[in-house]
Amino acid sequence: QKEVEQDPGPLSVPEGAIVSLNCTYSNSAFQYFMWYRQYSRKGPELLMYTYSSGNKEDGRFTAQVDKSSKYISLFIRDSQPSDSATYLCAMNVDNTDKLIFGTGTRLQVFP
Amino acid sequence: EAGVAQSPRYKIIEKRQSVAFWCNPISGHATLYWYQQILGQGPKLLIQFQNNGVVDDSQLPKDRFSAERLKGVDSTLKIQPAKLEDSAVYLCASSLDVAPLGTDTQYFGPGTRLTVL
Repeated sequence: QKEVEQDPGPLSVPEGAIVSLNCTYSNSAFQYFMWYRQYSRKGPELLMYTYSSGNKEDGRFTAQVDKSSKYISLFIRDSQPSDSATYLCAMNVDNTDKLIFGTGTRLQVFP
Repeated sequence: EAGVAQSPRYKIIEKRQSVAFWCNPISGHATLYWYQQILGQGPKLLIQFQNNGVVDDSQLPKDRFSAERLKGVDSTLKIQPAKLEDSAVYLCASSLDVAPLGTDTQYFGPGTRLTVL
C-alpha cells in the first residue's frame, strides 16, 4: 500500500464548478499537509499548507484535513480554465523536510 | 526574485550512457532537493542537501546516481550508466531553511525531462 493515495483523474468540469480533490494516507505520523499545483512542463508550486486537522481558506481555495480519517481535501470554488493543471497532495512528518507526494490529479476546466 | 534554474530542459540519451543535470537554487536558500518524477506519478525525493552536507539520500540509487553541491550553492545530479527506467523529469527544489523543520516552503524549478532510449 502506498503511503499517499490520490485519484489520478482526469477530472473534467465546466467553468464555475466547485471542484473537490482528495488524498488518503496511511502514516499517522504525518503532521503537515500541502497542496501543490503543477502546470504542464513546469515544476510544482505550493498552493496551500495546513498543519494537523482543520480547514484553511485562501481565496477560492479551501484545504481540509481530517486526521481521524487520514483524509485531506482541496476545494476550488468558481473554477476557471486557468485552474487546469495537475494537483498534487504532499505531506511530511514533524521535524523532517522530506515530502511524500500523491500521484496527482489532473484537472481540466472547460469554458 | 529569480526562481530555481535548471539545465538542460530536455535530454535524450541511449541506455548505458551518462548524463548530468545542473541546478542553481534561489539565492540564499540553504537547502536543496533533487526529486525524480516519473510520468503519471508524484515527485520522489532522491537527495536533500543542507548547505554542503547530505541530509537524506536514502532513496538515491547509489550504484548509478550521484549528486554533489560544492560551495553550498549549485548542484549537479549525475546518472552513470542510465537505464530505461530512469526516463523521468528531474526536479530541483530549494528552501530557505529558517522555519521549523517540515514547514519551509520548497520552491521547484521547471525540471529536466530525461528520455532514455
